[in-house]
Amino acid sequence: NAGVTQTPKFQVLKTGQSMTLQCAQDMNHNSMYWYRQDPGMGLRLIYYSASEGTTDKGEVPNGYNVSRLNKREFSLRLESAAPSQTSVYFCASSGVVWRLVSPDTQYFGPGTRLTVL
Amino acid sequence: AQSVTQLGSHVSVSEGALVLLRCNYSSSVPPYLFWYVQYPNQGLQLLLKYTTGATLVKGINGFEAEFKKSETSFHLTKPSAHMSDAAEYFCAVNLRSGNEKLTFGTGTRLTIIP
Repeated sequence: NAGVTQTPKFQVLKTGQSMTLQCAQDMNHNSMYWYRQDPGMGLRLIYYSASEGTTDKGEVPNGYNVSRLNKREFSLRLESAAPSQTSVYFCASSGVVWRLVSPDTQYFGPGTRLTVL
Repeated sequence: AQSVTQLGSHVSVSEGALVLLRCNYSSSVPPYLFWYVQYPNQGLQLLLKYTTGATLVKGINGFEAEFKKSETSFHLTKPSAHMSDAAEYFCAVNLRSGNEKLTFGTGTRLTIIP
């Protein structure tokens, strides 16, 4: 049981290049999330997916796209990378579909450290 | 508007001393409250959470937090710090808006002095 896995661990891009960050979970969770972490700003939600086939914007979606490929996988794409997207990216997942119950614990992957030159 | 505020971006305590990390929220309806810990070069893991019921919540590694509605606070404490507690700690809230989104504070880096 690997939990939440992310690839790659590190990436350096030039401005304007594109790339896709991969995330997979093996806990049969319905919900998945992408965050970015920047010094002094905590974690900010980019996109999330409450279930397979649905996605929704978070706090900072501009410059990103996502795909919920199936229940296990949720990818984040940067179409034209910019230096402002230099950050550490975390994927997370949680099990409970919101039905007026308290939110389930979110489980985080180890992160992808992205530098855009 | 900032939903969750962590006072002190850096806190240093001596080994064996009390750890107190502060978290305040701003919401008309008391949110669900979480504390996460991040060790160097790792993802976040849940320390504890408050949803309903008892306002004093116990978590892993000897940490606990108390929900105080009158003070809109959810401070994290540990009676005796250990070197292994050195990490960054994040308070987070779910605003009970019908989804599972969390809003995180800016984090507090805890340093333990030998």
